Amino acid sequence: KAGVTQTPRYLIKTRGQQVTLSCSPISGHRSVSWYQQTPGQGLQFLFEYFSETQRNKGNFPGRFSGRQFSNSRSEMNVSTLELGDSALYLCASSQGTGGGNQPQHFGDGTRLSIL
Amino acid sequence: AQSVAQPEDQVNVAEGNPLTVKCTYSVSGNPYLFWYVQYPNRGLQFLLKYITGDNLVKGSYGFEAEFNKSQTSFHLKKPSALVSDSALYFCAVRGEISSGSARQLTFGSGTQLTVLP
Repeated sequence: KAGVTQTPRYLIKTRGQQVTLSCSPISGHRSVSWYQQTPGQGLQFLFEYFSETQRNKGNFPGRFSGRQFSNSRSEMNVSTLELGDSALYLCASSQGTGGGNQPQHFGDGTRLSIL
Repeated sequence: AQSVAQPEDQVNVAEGNPLTVKCTYSVSGNPYLFWYVQYPNRGLQFLLKYITGDNLVKGSYGFEAEFNKSQTSFHLKKPSALVSDSALYFCAVRGEISSGSARQLTFGSGTQLTVLP
């Protein structure tokens, strides 16, 4: 079974631009979560989607948004990029409705660098 | 609010020696606990989880973890460390009954394990 696929793996953008990251969950998984990982802040939760609905949102500004499609694939968008948005963005999927005792399975991330 | 503490940023151990990576947690009600490992330029890889029952949980690659309810701890262990175990390890928690923000998996800050040859 294929794992979680994130594209692209690497991105370089400049301040003020916007970016869209893509995530394809494990087949059959309908819950998708996004995280930002930085050396200083560690792993920070962005949002969670299930059945095309945002179930939960972390403490990030409105420049960060996401969506989920009917095939469970998810995208996240960051507008008006800032230097501080440079990070590894991780997507994770899980079985069932998410939550509970189901582990999350992670993709290898998108490394976003802002110049 | 739920939280996880990994008190050691760095753990060094000699190859062949036992290793322990510490984790304590705080959550309402019974916890679901997880350990993940991250290698450079990769995502997090699931190692094991505790749901209920036996306090000693066995996982992938010879790792195990011991749940201690009274000490609210879930330490990761391995009897004999390998150089290839060198990586970043994360502990995570979620409450048994979770809604709203408590649905999310809460991660510790990570512990860098280095196994010396």
